[in-house]
Amino acid sequence: AQSVTQLDSHVSVSEGTPVLLRCNYSSSYSPSLFWYVQHPNKGLQLLLKYTSAATLVKGINGFEAEFKKSETSFHLTKPSAHMSDAAEYLCVVTSAGGYNKLIFGAGTRLAVHP
Amino acid sequence: DAGVTQSPTHLIKTRGQQVTLRCSPKSGHDTVSWYQQALGQGPQFIFQYYEEEERQRGNFPDRFSGHQFPNYSSELNVNALLLGDSALYLCASSKIEEETQYFGPGTRLLVL
Repeated sequence: AQSVTQLDSHVSVSEGTPVLLRCNYSSSYSPSLFWYVQHPNKGLQLLLKYTSAATLVKGINGFEAEFKKSETSFHLTKPSAHMSDAAEYLCVVTSAGGYNKLIFGAGTRLAVHP
Repeated sequence: DAGVTQSPTHLIKTRGQQVTLRCSPKSGHDTVSWYQQALGQGPQFIFQYYEEEERQRGNFPDRFSGHQFPNYSSELNVNALLLGDSALYLCASSKIEEETQYFGPGTRLLVL
């Protein structure tokens, strides 16, 4: 069965410093992987997705993620945090068997301090 | 181009009542999925609708049911509400041939 583990429930950074949000997955096949961002009282916005093309994926707002099959990881990074990046970040994997069912991690709350 | 819309935004019910949540997909999308997000957790898949039929279902009891209409919009119904049904209910739409799902703002349900 597929599963997603987000290794940190909370991450706190200073504005202008790098961001690293860690995600490991478990899958019996080669899934597609996504990162979504959720601002308070809002829905989920797609940041980026990996679908077996380039292992380094660039997304919106300066975020990128690197797919490492040997480590079953898909960590999200950003070179310089902005105050507006404070939000909940969700790592997601597609399930086996088609139908595009999404399996979510528990989320990482990113705090950005001035 | 309107994105995914959901109504209502907030809802308060009491135990044992029934509730209906509504979702309109993004223009051009034909598939609707519903997710439940409890406080402090990631969303959990409830079910997915395509061509007005339930294609796949997550680990939710039969109290949770749904419907998709010919215009691709969808409803989520929950009967005999429990306190534990309090959550943010998210609707996502997609094209059947694509993996990327686009989410609405959600309906926050509080069961007292």
